[in-house]
Amino acid sequence: SQQGEEDPQALSIQEGENATMNCSYKTSINNLQWYRQNSGRGLVHLILIRSNEREKHSGRLRVTLDTSKKSSSLLITASRAADTASYFCATDHPQGGSEKLVFGKGTKLTVNP
Amino acid sequence: KAGVTQTPRYLIKTRGQQVTLSCSPISGHRSVSWYQQTPGQGLQFLFEYFSETQRNKGNFPGRFSGRQFSNSRSEMNVSTLELGDSALYLCASSLGPMNYEQYFGPGTRLTVT
Repeated sequence: SQQGEEDPQALSIQEGENATMNCSYKTSINNLQWYRQNSGRGLVHLILIRSNEREKHSGRLRVTLDTSKKSSSLLITASRAADTASYFCATDHPQGGSEKLVFGKGTKLTVNP
Repeated sequence: KAGVTQTPRYLIKTRGQQVTLSCSPISGHRSVSWYQQTPGQGLQFLFEYFSETQRNKGNFPGRFSGRQFSNSRSEMNVSTLELGDSALYLCASSLGPMNYEQYFGPGTRLTVT
């Protein structure tokens, strides 16, 4: 099963509004990452937040992490049409002494001009 | 710095054939990971190579294999192709292990007919 699950699956907003996406995961993690994907292309890394961090900012992006609830949120403020994309959270998942990065199924964000 | 490159970008094969996909990581990156992305299953981890050694492997059949060369370039091979192997195959490179920021290539879209 997926380690990270995004919510909602799809989100449609108007330009200038804020967009909030959530990610929940099941087991303890070392860090959580958020990625963006435009139209079936490769993913672009947005933010990495470590398990001992609670909040991180990067430009119009704000990520929070609540390890007690095993959840994270990605906030995009003052959205633009160019923010239209799918957003994925990814968590590291220990596997027999090594690791793998597990992605959720993503939130498809549409920003209408 | 040049990004992650993947070749070919598009590929059409028939069932039973085999295919080799190539990935050139960002200069200086020693870790290369491969992912399969389908509408139904989302992004699934295939394997990770670091310094020519496979460090991690996802839950895929033995038909899926890979290798990494001394210059960090990586190839993945799928033998005896099945219709269900149709997907976008993404390669990502990073400076360190999987919980580092991953830089993704544009992907190879494989269609199996």
